[in-house]
Amino acid sequence: DVKVTQSSRYLVKRTGEKVFLECVQDMDHENMFWYRQDPGLGLRLIYFSYDVKMKEKGDIPEGYSVSREKKERFSLILESASTNQTSMYLCASRLQGGGTQYFGPGTRLLVL
Amino acid sequence: GQNIDQPTEMTATEGAIVQINCTYQTSGFNGLFWYQQHAGEAPTFLSYNVLDGLEEKGRFSSFLSRSKGYSYLLLKELQMKDSASYLCAVSDSNYQLIWGAGTKLIIKP
Repeated sequence: DVKVTQSSRYLVKRTGEKVFLECVQDMDHENMFWYRQDPGLGLRLIYFSYDVKMKEKGDIPEGYSVSREKKERFSLILESASTNQTSMYLCASRLQGGGTQYFGPGTRLLVL
Repeated sequence: GQNIDQPTEMTATEGAIVQINCTYQTSGFNGLFWYQQHAGEAPTFLSYNVLDGLEEKGRFSSFLSRSKGYSYLLLKELQMKDSASYLCAVSDSNYQLIWGAGTKLIIKP
C-alpha cells in the first residue's frame, strides 16, 4: 500500500511566521504535489515536483515555496504566513507519467 | 479556460441508487478520476476512465463519454458510510489534474 504522511494534522500559526509543512511518501514515486483545499472550491495546485531537486509552479504559487532534496520528501514553506493562507493543505504523490495520485491525511492550518 | 462542473450537494436514501454527474472542458484529455473524501480526511481513489464506456467495481460504477465531455459515478445499495464528498478530476494534456469542487452526498436512513 502506498503511504503518504504529513508532518502535522493541525497547526496554528501567527501572521508573519515562517511555516514548514512536510510530506513523505514511501513508494519511490517521482512526482509529488502540494494542493490547498477550501470550501466550495476544487483542489488547487500550489507547486509540484517531477523529481528530486525539480519544482514547478502550479496555479497559486504566490506566498509559497517548496523544497525537494530527497525523493521521498517534499516540503511546502510559507515564507510569511497570512490569514488568507488558512486552509487544508494536501500532499500527493504518483509515479512518473501520470496515473493515480495518492494523498496524505492533510494538514489543517489556521493563521491568526 | 478549463472547467469541471458537478452538483454541490445530493441527498439519497440508504439502500437506493444515486448518480453523480460531472461535465468537463479541458485542454486535452488523459483520463478522468473519481475520488471519495470523507469529512476531514484525504481524498481516496475510486475509479479511472480513459476510454468511453462503463467501468464497474463492486457497488460503484463510473461512465465516460469523451465526445460529450461527461462522466457519472453510480453508487448502488447505498450505505450510511457512503456519506462523503465525491470529487471528479480530469487529467489534462500535461497530465495535471483539474479538479471539480466536489459533490457532497448525504445519505438518509
